[in-house]
Amino acid sequence: GAVVSQHPSRVICKSGTSVKIECRSLDFQATTMFWYRQFPKQSLMLMATSNEGSKATYEQGVEKDKFLINHASLTLSTLTVTSAHPEDSSFYICSAREPGPNEQFFGPGTRLTVL
Amino acid sequence: QQQVKQSPQSLIVQKGGIPIINCAYENTAFDYFPWYQQFPGKGPALLIAIRPDVSEKKEGRFTISFNKSAKQFSLHIMDSQPGDSATYFCAPWGFDCGGAQKLVFGQGTRLTINP
Repeated sequence: GAVVSQHPSRVICKSGTSVKIECRSLDFQATTMFWYRQFPKQSLMLMATSNEGSKATYEQGVEKDKFLINHASLTLSTLTVTSAHPEDSSFYICSAREPGPNEQFFGPGTRLTVL
Repeated sequence: QQQVKQSPQSLIVQKGGIPIINCAYENTAFDYFPWYQQFPGKGPALLIAIRPDVSEKKEGRFTISFNKSAKQFSLHIMDSQPGDSATYFCAPWGFDCGGAQKLVFGQGTRLTINP
């Protein structure tokens, strides 16, 4: 299957700082990328859907100003957690979908810890 | 509003047994029914998926059974191995009430295969 990478895989930051997470589709062009958050022992929660060149669509309850998403190219989307707080500590996972088939390819995830 | 209900929440099976995980959904607009496997600290990976025009699909030791009238589909793992120990998610795909097309994740099943 296609490969999706995330960087960094793990990050620890102080409260109040901003953190950027990158998601790349390595061998295909992703017209749509998705960002999920997963708390321990829970399911994945969709945060937002982003299409290349347009604004992201956020799920209900997700703060647009706090979780900034940029899908600048067909192979790169970024999630920036602004002014991070300990409650933002979570496992953030992106996925990418190429045109046509339904299959989504997931990245390996980024473990964010805010102290 | 819970669109997808997955059961059981956890399951312990002896090696060689056949664990069965079930997924019930409400949205009849779903048109793609995948199962994802997730190991701790990793992103989910597609295991097997089925479309609603067939009632069963088998890939290696993994089988999906699909019951369209009952709005249910299940995952069967034949000759289970300790390496199959992971969390499994059903995540039907389709349009939600807002017109967005996305995966809707179940709650997850933590499967343990004892040696």
